[in-house]
Amino acid sequence: DTGVSQNPRHKITKRGQNVTFRCDPISEHNRLYWYRQTLGQGPEFLTYFQNEAQLEKSRLLSDRFSAERPKGSFSTLEIQRTEQGDSAMYLCASSLRYQKNPYEQYFGPGTRLTVT
Amino acid sequence: DAKTTQPPSMDCAEGRAANLPCNHSTISGNEYVYWYRQIHSQGPQYIIHGLKNNETNEMASLIITEDRKSSTLILPHATLRDTAVYYCIAMDQTGANNLFFGTGTRLTVIP
Repeated sequence: DTGVSQNPRHKITKRGQNVTFRCDPISEHNRLYWYRQTLGQGPEFLTYFQNEAQLEKSRLLSDRFSAERPKGSFSTLEIQRTEQGDSAMYLCASSLRYQKNPYEQYFGPGTRLTVT
Repeated sequence: DAKTTQPPSMDCAEGRAANLPCNHSTISGNEYVYWYRQIHSQGPQYIIHGLKNNETNEMASLIITEDRKSSTLILPHATLRDTAVYYCIAMDQTGANNLFFGTGTRLTVIP
């Protein structure tokens, strides 16, 4: 078990460019979550997958954001036409549906996005 | 889900117990109290959770008042590695699966 991994760890992009982040959850975990964290704030929920199905999306997830989880394994989060307000840490977490503690989520180290 | 209130920051001497309070006066009967922490430049880490009874694990103890309107996370012997932001979350386990973190308490363990 190598934990949740995220790539890249850091991304600097110019406003208007598209970016894509990848998350690899713990192998047997069927639930996958994306959160966004800005400086001085706690993580904010963006979206959630159970296997390959995207079951919930936050109102924070504007139409410039899209997330996928093909085959229920890794997930990608794409941001189109980036804006300076998208600068944040993007965190991925995973969990197992039938584990004893449903809110015990395992987080990756995050991808820090800077939009210049 | 119930809103929680935590002090923005606390200090604790190394080796002493760190007691982190959390108010959740609007908590409902089926909402659990979860604690997570986030060490600088890392993702959040689960610590402990409880419903009514006090709980203890290898990381911490959770004391929940009888009326369930507040709780305290106790780190019995704080070390420098416990310096982190600690989040108290009240969640209904039958509802949404996302965690609402709030702004937490920044604990600084002082040598």
